[in-house]
Amino acid sequence: EPEVTQTPSHQVTQMGQEVILRCVPISNHLYFYWYRQILGQKVEFLVSFYNNEISEKSEIFDDQFSVERPDGSNFTLKIRSTKLEDSAMYFCASIGRIYEQYFGPGTRLTVT
Amino acid sequence: KQEVTQIPAALSVPEGENLVLNCSFTDSAIYNLQWFRQDPGKGLTSLLLIQSSQREQTSGRLNASLDKSSGRSTLYIAASQPGDSATYLCAVEGGATNKLIFGTGTLLAVQP
Repeated sequence: EPEVTQTPSHQVTQMGQEVILRCVPISNHLYFYWYRQILGQKVEFLVSFYNNEISEKSEIFDDQFSVERPDGSNFTLKIRSTKLEDSAMYFCASIGRIYEQYFGPGTRLTVT
Repeated sequence: KQEVTQIPAALSVPEGENLVLNCSFTDSAIYNLQWFRQDPGKGLTSLLLIQSSQREQTSGRLNASLDKSSGRSTLYIAASQPGDSATYLCAVEGGATNKLIFGTGTLLAVQP
């Protein structure tokens, strides 16, 4: 069964550094999303992406964040200058025709 | 602004018991509702998707219902097993980009 994959599974970085989280969505899906979950809190929507552009973003998704689909398969989330409060699990998701969202296993980002 | 609430926050039951998890949402203008399972430190596994025109969906021992007008959904788990122990998340899908708004989850422990 097709699945969403994410790399790395765990990323440790120092405050102020740039990180890129990578996702490979399911191949025939058209809508892509990033969510995050701070430890012990709700899963929160960050951004949706369709037709090679951002279609919606949340208040969390400020100028430090960017997304890109550099080729036909990868979907990346870049955090330009990480802060301690960016420590969280980051989930990528993609959506099929009946709008069921399929999530990747997540990347645990730890900012020290 | 859509708010999703799940009750109870935690539940402990003996093996074999039937149980109901509750989800409520404030804005009835949703497209779909999805129930997910999350194991500790892991990603989100989709359990059931109920489209806005449907009243319920079943998969094995799981049955989810949706009452859009009252802003409620329930997840019924029959004959619970220790392997069902996890956090169960409810998420409603709405808006132009089908983003998901999540509840805080119900932590279920099934005692052998």
